[in-house]
Amino acid sequence: EVQLLESGGDLVQPGGSLRLSCAASGFTFSSYAMSWVRQAPGKGLEWVSAITGSGGTIYYADSVKGRFTISRDNSKNTLYLQMNSLRAEDTALYYCAKDNKGGYNYAYTDVWGQGTAVTVSS
Amino acid sequence: EIVLTQSPGTLSLSPGERATLSCRASQSVSSSYVAWYQQKPGQAPRLLIYGASSRATGIPDRFSGSESGTDFTLTISRLEPEDVAVYYCQQYDSSPRTFGQGTKVEIK
Repeated sequence: EVQLLESGGDLVQPGGSLRLSCAASGFTFSSYAMSWVRQAPGKGLEWVSAITGSGGTIYYADSVKGRFTISRDNSKNTLYLQMNSLRAEDTALYYCAKDNKGGYNYAYTDVWGQGTAVTVSS
Repeated sequence: EIVLTQSPGTLSLSPGERATLSCRASQSVSSSYVAWYQQKPGQAPRLLIYGASSRATGIPDRFSGSESGTDFTLTISRLEPEDVAVYYCQQYDSSPRTFGQGTKVEIK
C-alpha cells in the first residue's frame, strides 16, 4: 500500500524557517515525481512545488520561489521542503503528493498524504 | 497561468439526484490534462478522474468526467450521502499546475 507520512509542521514566527519531511513507502520512490500542495485554513488547494523522480528538475509556484527549497533523498525514500522567510500567508496544511510518473510534465497527483500543519504567527 | 473557474460554488441535492459540476479553463488545456479530486471533511484530497474522463482505481462508476473545448464536467449520476465533499478540478497541462476554487456538494 502506498503511504505518505508528513512531519515537521509547527508554529513559527514570521521570518522564521521550518523543514517539512515526507516519508514514502509502498512504491519505488525514485521512479516518481513528488509535489507539495498546501491548503490555507478554510481555503482551496494551492500547488507549491514539484521535483522529478531523479531530483534533476525542480519547479516552484511564484508565491514561494526564492524562499522554499524542495529536495529528495531517494536512498531514504524521503521528500523535503525547506521553508525560509516564512510569512503569515504561508499558514496552511501542507500535503505531500505522489505523481503518476517520474517526470513532472503532464503528470497528475495520484496519492496524497494526510498533511502537516504550518502556522506562521507571532 | 491557466485559471480554472468552477461552478456552482455550492450544490445542494437530494440522494439519488444527478450532480453536475463545471470547470472552465481560461485557455486551452491540451490533450485533456485535467484531473478531479474529492476532499471529504477533515480528509486529504483523493483522485477521482484524470485525463478529463478516466476514472482512478477504485472509483465508483457513478462518477464520470467529460470535456467540451475549455469546459470540463464532473458528473455524479446518483448522489449518495458519502459523496458530501468539496470537489476540485486541476490542470496539469502547463506549469504552474492550478486548481479551481472548488465546488461544495451537500445533501438536502
